[in-house]
Amino acid sequence: KAGVTQTPRYLIKTRGQQVTLSCSPISGHRSVSWYQQTPGQGLQFLFEYFSETQRNKGNFPGRFSGRQFSNSRSEMNVSTLELGDSALYLCASKEAGYTDTQYFGPGTRLTVL
Amino acid sequence: GEDVEQSLFLSVREGDSSVINCTYTDSSSTYLYWYKQEPGAGLQLLTYIFSNMDMKQDQRLTVLLNKKDKHLSLRIADTQTGDSAIYFCAEAPRNAGNMLTFGGGTRLMVKP
Repeated sequence: KAGVTQTPRYLIKTRGQQVTLSCSPISGHRSVSWYQQTPGQGLQFLFEYFSETQRNKGNFPGRFSGRQFSNSRSEMNVSTLELGDSALYLCASKEAGYTDTQYFGPGTRLTVL
Repeated sequence: GEDVEQSLFLSVREGDSSVINCTYTDSSSTYLYWYKQEPGAGLQLLTYIFSNMDMKQDQRLTVLLNKKDKHLSLRIADTQTGDSAIYFCAEAPRNAGNMLTFGGGTRLMVKP
C-alpha cells in the first residue's frame, strides 16, 4: 500500500495570506490527524478527523481549521498567516480504532515571511 | 509545558548500545510509541508497547516499560551511523481519540 502523502511538500507564504494543505491517508484508513512541529513547541496536536467529522481538537486558534472528505482525504487551512505559523505540518492516518497504529506522512514545510 | 519528557541529546560510538529514556504522565495511556525522524523527513514508527507489557523486543530494538514510574526506554543494540536521528516517544491517552502526546525528542548522534 502507498503511504500517507502530503501536498505540497514546501510552501512559502506572506503574513496575512491563507494556506491549504492536503493529506491523503493510507488506503482504508479513516482517521486523519494533523500535527504542527516547530523547534520551540515541538510536536503539537492540531485536530483529528474520522468519517468526515472532527473528533478531537488541540489548543490552537480558530485560524486553524480542517475538513475531511468522503474518501478520507483531509485538508487543513490556516487563515491570516502569522510568522509563528512557520512549521512542519504533519499528517497521520490510522485505520480507525484506538488500538490501530498511526502512520505519518513526510510533512509540508510552511514558511511565512 | 510538555507532559512527556525526554533528554535532549545522546552521543554514542558505532557498535555501542544506545538507551533513550522517556517519562510520561498519563496513566490511562494504553499504548506508548517510539518514532524516528531523520532530517527533512516525517515520523517513522519504530515500535510500540502495550501498557500491560514490561518489555518488547524487535530485532535491534528493545523497549522497556516501568508503568509504576511512568518510565519508558528504547535500547538500540549495535548502533549504526544510520541510526543518527531524532527519536520521539509518544503516549496515547485513552480518552483523547487518536491524539498522541509527544516528548520533545532526543537527538542521537552516532560517531564512527
